[in-house]
Amino acid sequence: GENVEQHPSTLSVQEGDSAVIKCTYSDSASNYFPWYKQELGKRPQLIIDIRSNVGEKKDQRIAVTLNKTAKHFSLHITETQPEDSAVYFCAASYSWGKLQFGAGTQVVVTP
Amino acid sequence: DGGITQSPKYLFRKEGQNVTLSCEQNLNHDAMYWYRQDPGQGLRLIYYSQIVNDFQKGDIAEGYSVSREKKESFPLTVTSAQKNPTAFYLCASSSGTSGSNEQFFGPGTRLTVL
Repeated sequence: GENVEQHPSTLSVQEGDSAVIKCTYSDSASNYFPWYKQELGKRPQLIIDIRSNVGEKKDQRIAVTLNKTAKHFSLHITETQPEDSAVYFCAASYSWGKLQFGAGTQVVVTP
Repeated sequence: DGGITQSPKYLFRKEGQNVTLSCEQNLNHDAMYWYRQDPGQGLRLIYYSQIVNDFQKGDIAEGYSVSREKKESFPLTVTSAQKNPTAFYLCASSSGTSGSNEQFFGPGTRLTVL
């Protein structure tokens, strides 16, 4: 099956700085890589995703990059704001329609 | 955030009891999933269903059971065989059987064993 590792487990940044979260996956057949943001006690919500035919995707202050050769993908948040504080999960598709999630990164943005 | 609902929001179970968590979606999605989330951990797949009247075990199915009698409903029963059921349970759905479909999550049920 798929194995997804996510680093770091916690990330503290000052407001306005950039944050980068990295994930690696094991199944070369994976072709879909979503990122979810989860605030305390709430449901995970998709913030951006990327498919294997694309190397980079941006949406305002958020970007995701994918390196299929190295089997890793990263989330980049620029100009961080206090409302970016949350737990972020990466995931990779495997088998049929299933997602394997990373363990999560707690991001804390300090004013 | 609408479209997929879970109830109850909080659930307390005594030792030896079976409890059922509800998940309903009105998104007309074929696929539905149940995940368990423990503090400091990612989401782990319990069961999933690609289509009505069919479901498959995920990575941690022991002590759980599901049914999929209707497209919009995918209830999860936590049985007494699940030794450590205290966790946050999330239901999700997606539109099809492709591996690149977004999964939408419900608001979750927090289960506590007394």
